[in-house]
Amino acid sequence: DIQMTQSPSTLSASVGDRVTITCRASQSISSWLAWYQQKPGKAPKLLIYKASSLESGVPSRFSGSGSGSEFTLTISSLQPDDFATYYCQQYNSYSWTFGQGTKVEIK
Amino acid sequence: QVQLQESGPGLVKPSQTLSLTCTVSGGSISSNNYYWSWIRQHPGKGLEWIGYIYYSGSTYYNPSLKSRVTISVDTSKNQFSLKLSSVTAADTAVYYCARDPAKPHGYFDYWGQGTLVTVSS
Repeated sequence: DIQMTQSPSTLSASVGDRVTITCRASQSISSWLAWYQQKPGKAPKLLIYKASSLESGVPSRFSGSGSGSEFTLTISSLQPDDFATYYCQQYNSYSWTFGQGTKVEIK
Repeated sequence: QVQLQESGPGLVKPSQTLSLTCTVSGGSISSNNYYWSWIRQHPGKGLEWIGYIYYSGSTYYNPSLKSRVTISVDTSKNQFSLKLSSVTAADTAVYYCARDPAKPHGYFDYWGQGTLVTVSS
């Protein structure tokens, strides 16, 4: 299986901050990467697919970049609704696998 | 608006079979545009993809669970189901069903709310 490693595991930030989360794959996955946001007690919500394509209805402050084995999710100006846990997921090859998550906390 | 809803027992005894159903509304499970997956999340932990089914009945399972997993589809009821046999406490998790756009497939654009299944005697 392809291992997905996110950093940092926890991130403390303030409203208005620019936030970047990194996801590294144990081998190249081209651009077959998705990002999700999960709030406590809720299902994950798709934010980004194919590394940089914004899912319909997702605010434009979210953006994704990268290819190969290194990817980033950027929130350009953190909003109160954005405090959550974020997961990356590869779908280049079976079995599809997720990162361990990055929790974005209020500073 | 597509909605997915998991249903099934919240408590399963060790060595028994976990059975869950996902009911899809607002869209047809028979569309050739989608695959349908099960994903689980152990308490306080990350996400693990279990497997998928296509409306035709073709499936693919996570090799780590393959020997114990069966996913089936009932197009007449717009449902798909998960069976996980010989469960242990390690199978205690929130189980989600999710829709996967088929072209290309592998990510999940709609999720059910999730259902907690506890394995305990």
